[in-house]
Amino acid sequence: NAGVMQNPRHLVRRRGQEARLRCSPMKGHSHVYWYRQLPEEGLKFMVYLQKENIIDESGMPKERFSAEFPKEGPSILRIQQVVRGDSAAYFCASSPRSLAGGPSGTDTQYFGPGTRLTVL
Amino acid sequence: EDKVVQSPLSLVVHEGDTVTLNCSYEVTNFRSLLWYKQEKKAPTFLFMLTSSGIEKKSGRLSSILDKKELFSILNITATQTGDSAVYLCAGFSGGGADGLTFGKGTHLIIQP
Repeated sequence: NAGVMQNPRHLVRRRGQEARLRCSPMKGHSHVYWYRQLPEEGLKFMVYLQKENIIDESGMPKERFSAEFPKEGPSILRIQQVVRGDSAAYFCASSPRSLAGGPSGTDTQYFGPGTRLTVL
Repeated sequence: EDKVVQSPLSLVVHEGDTVTLNCSYEVTNFRSLLWYKQEKKAPTFLFMLTSSGIEKKSGRLSSILDKKELFSILNITATQTGDSAVYLCAGFSGGGADGLTFGKGTHLIIQP
């Protein structure tokens, strides 16, 4: 059973370009979470999606950022008109069920290896 | 292959008790160790430890890193029911996007 896959692993963009980050959850997982890791700040929640639905986007910047998880295909985190401050590692995690009911075990989320975005 | 092992996997204590959670790591080009608290939504960042022997404190929580023995502990004193959560430890090797290795977590339950 393959783990959570993210691509690309490294992405370089110039200011003003668009960045598209992809996340394929583990087989059988229909819940996807995106996190951003900035230096010295740890992992920060951005958005939580279920198939075709955004459940919680409270951690997403209001402008330029969007996320989707279509019925078919990977989840996409899209950053328009990137700026230098967007440079970070972006992690995706998936789970087989919603966390709304509380963690029921010690492996409720499986993290991908991340995408390192560098904005020049 | 990088590895982070947490123990115990689950722990049940009574309110007011003190708990110690353990994390050992084998991380190539180790840079720092991170602790998270995972409740209903998403992991919440607690501590980042980079230097050995320097305790970090936040209220009733404290953590320390031993880079010689490759482990860290997270202490919670005077536990409360709100401390019930999964506590995740992660080793960060810095640089590339594949530098964050998480342990499986310790599921802590505080009984009233």
